[in-house]
Amino acid sequence: DTEVTQTPKHLVMGMTNKKSLKCEQHMGHRAMYWYKQKAKKPPELMFVYSYEKLSINESVPSRFSPECPNSSLLNLHLHALQPEDSALYLCASSQEPQGEDEQFFGPGTRLTVL
Amino acid sequence: GENVEQHPSTLSVQEGDSAVIKCTYSDSASNYFPWYKQELGKRPQLIIDIRSNVGEKKDQRIAVTLNKTAKHFSLHITETQPEDSAVYFCAASFSDNYGQNFVFGPGTRLSVLP
Repeated sequence: DTEVTQTPKHLVMGMTNKKSLKCEQHMGHRAMYWYKQKAKKPPELMFVYSYEKLSINESVPSRFSPECPNSSLLNLHLHALQPEDSALYLCASSQEPQGEDEQFFGPGTRLTVL
Repeated sequence: GENVEQHPSTLSVQEGDSAVIKCTYSDSASNYFPWYKQELGKRPQLIIDIRSNVGEKKDQRIAVTLNKTAKHFSLHITETQPEDSAVYFCAASFSDNYGQNFVFGPGTRLSVLP
């Protein structure tokens, strides 16, 4: 299996909802990432899980909360989001931490916050 | 932190012509430079990458050149085809408090006209 999978593909939620995005890879990769991509912009790194250690982009609001249940799964818990959080959320994985290794991206979750 | 600039932001070429996209980076310690292609509504996919110990790399119609002294690298696509139409992102590796990561350039929208 050489794919990163993400569910759901689309998500519409209100500002008071709690939802979760899921990401899975079975390539034995040791690093997984969450990116946010707005229209016509490049992906922006939110979180990195590398060797089971979380690294956080400090500019990411606390209403986004990552969770790594095991080395193949990465979740992103969403709570009290704002309309400006509407974006494509991409998960990625790499064999080694991202600095010098190809990242494989999932298809993304298109999130709309009403 | 690392800053990556990319030019042009949009590029239109006739089918069969060549396309060149240029990127510059700021961190002289960067040593890994991937290029990603993102078609409309799809995930980013690696098309070619280069490491700092190499000046040029080629894969069929795609080539990348790197000038570490000048801190710039370029993507060359020859014999362009309509299916090459997409947004192309360059990236450069860097180290920060979160470990080894890379930052994307703003992207180039390539249109190949039949």
